Amino acid sequence: QKEVEQNSGPLSVPEGAIASLNCTYSDRVSQSFFWYRQYSGKSPELIMSIYSNGDKEDGRFTAQLNKASQYVSLLIRDSQPSDSATYLCAVIGAGGTSYGKLTFGQGTILTVHP
Amino acid sequence: NAGVTQTPKFRILKIGQSMTLQCTQDMNHNYMYWYRQDPGMGLKLIYYSVGAGITDKGEVPNGYNVSRSTTEDFPLRLELAAPSQTSVYFCASSYRDTEAFFGQGTRLTVV
Repeated sequence: QKEVEQNSGPLSVPEGAIASLNCTYSDRVSQSFFWYRQYSGKSPELIMSIYSNGDKEDGRFTAQLNKASQYVSLLIRDSQPSDSATYLCAVIGAGGTSYGKLTFGQGTILTVHP
Repeated sequence: NAGVTQTPKFRILKIGQSMTLQCTQDMNHNYMYWYRQDPGMGLKLIYYSVGAGITDKGEVPNGYNVSRSTTEDFPLRLELAAPSQTSVYFCASSYRDTEAFFGQGTRLTVV
């Protein structure tokens, strides 16, 4: 089982729609979860961090965390063509040999078409 | 505020050569990371460090070495470069288990 796994995509949505990105992780004691966006040829940049169960909203972005199901998701409302990028889920390990280890999923390519 | 600085930005190496990728951060972060990213792929962890004097292997450590003698610096050493090490390398840092900030990347080609 991969440590962090994302729904493979690619994902294509029309402008104005909701884009839904999903991620599962294997380390049951992890406490810190992140979504990054990466444009082609650029470095990853942080969109959202989430540490507690439930929803966290920031503008058009909502992160959802369910530690019991080991599941993190990102919703992008009113998707814009500028949201077209690769989205990376990341988790920091909290126990044993994974302590402090920041692991990324394989990424989901999102395309928002006008 | 410079953040995370990587040098060089680009480099071409011949097979068998060695080099050091430099990474420095000025945010007093204790955690630092090295990743490689191949075209169309995600980030693979090479090595990471939770503080000066402490380093741990990630998913793909073979062919690389690191050291962490200061909080600010986390150099990555490539010994005996191979074509399979052609990639984009990213350094990142974070304050403990909070969000990580990335450098601009080093694009390395081994020929």
